[in-house]
Parts: sequence; C-alpha cells; structure tokens
Amino acid sequence: DAGVIQSPRHEVTEMGQEVTLRCKPISGHNSLFWYRQTMMRGLELLIYFNNNVPIDDSGMPEDRFSAKMPNASFSTLKIQPSEPRDSAVYFCASTRIAGQETQYFGPGTRLLVL
Amino acid sequence: DAKTTQPTSMDCAEGRAANLPCNHSTISGNEYVYWYRQIHSQGPQYIIHGLKNNETNEMASLIITEDRKSSTLILPHATLRDTAVYYCIVRLNNYGQNFVFGPGTRLSVLP
Repeated sequence: DAGVIQSPRHEVTEMGQEVTLRCKPISGHNSLFWYRQTMMRGLELLIYFNNNVPIDDSGMPEDRFSAKMPNASFSTLKIQPSEPRDSAVYFCASTRIAGQETQYFGPGTRLLVL
Repeated sequence: DAKTTQPTSMDCAEGRAANLPCNHSTISGNEYVYWYRQIHSQGPQYIIHGLKNNETNEMASLIITEDRKSSTLILPHATLRDTAVYYCIVRLNNYGQNFVFGPGTRLSVLP
C-alpha cells in the first residue's frame, strides 16, 4: 500500500495567491483528516470527513480556508487568499470509521507564504 | 476526550530502554490510550494502543496501570532513530472520532 499521498510536498507562494493542497487517502479508508502544524501551536485539526461528508470544521481558521472531498480517493484544502501566517506544515491523515482504527498520516506539505 | 500530561523532554542512552510516562487521570472506562511519534519533518506515526491490558508489538510495549490513570510506553532498546516527539492520546473509539494531539515528549536518544 502506498500510504497517504500528499502533493505538493513543498509550496512557496506570495501573499494573496491561492494555494491548493491535495491528499489521496489509503484505499479503503473512509475517514480523512486535515491537520496544520506550527512551532507555536503544535498539531491542530482543521477539518475531518466521514464518507466524504465534512463532520467537524470547527478548526478551520477562517473563511479563507476551504476543504472538499469529491470522492473517496481525493481531498483538497484550499487557502484563498493566502497570508504569511498560513505558513506551516499541513498533514492529511486517513483511517477506517470503525472500532480501534488508527490514523495514518501523509508526509505533509510544507507551505511558505511570503 | 481526557486530557493527558507528559514530560516536555527526556534523554535516553542508545541501547537502553526508554520509558515514556503519560498521566491521564480523568480517563473514562471506554477510552483507549494511543501512542504516536513524530520524527523530525515527517508525519506522525502510530506506535501502539490499549484499553486495560498491557500491549506489545514489534515497536514497543504499553503498560497501563490498574486504575488506568497513567501509562508508560517502553522502547526496549532505543536507537538513534527513535529520537522523536512522542504523543500520548486518550480517545473513545467512536465512529470517526478525532485524535487530539498535545505537545508530547521530545525524546533524545544519545550515543
């Protein structure tokens, strides 16, 4: 199994530009999570989906952030417009919705907004 | 989810056992204890989890006290590659419930 796949691995952009991060969960997993990690705030949950439906987006910082999951094998996290304070590592994780399932994380996307 | 308390950092000599403690005094009867670790620049990695009984796998052992208010993750023979931040998480295994990551313990394995 390829594991959770994220792209791009690194992104450098200028303030005001739109940024789109992509995630492919592990095949067969039906729950997907987006996290953001910074030195100051640690690992924070932004949003998670069950069966492609957003369940909890209370961690999304503001309206500039949006996430979609059009099908079971693909999700996007979009920031528009981006700001320097959005610079962080963004992780995607997936799991199965059942019992003692654990989360499996992708390698992350390192975003730098100048 | 119950809150957990972990030491900020620990050192361990290479080849020795690393014992990482976690307090979860408000844990409820149906909450599990999970351990993850994050090696620098990588995504968090699952290590082990348990409910009441001690657990062991190829990576580590998990010792949970009888009252379940604390646990210890044991890496039996720490290597330099075990240097990472270790997270103790307590959660229900409900339908699609989230994991809440605290600051964790930064373990440094020293040569």
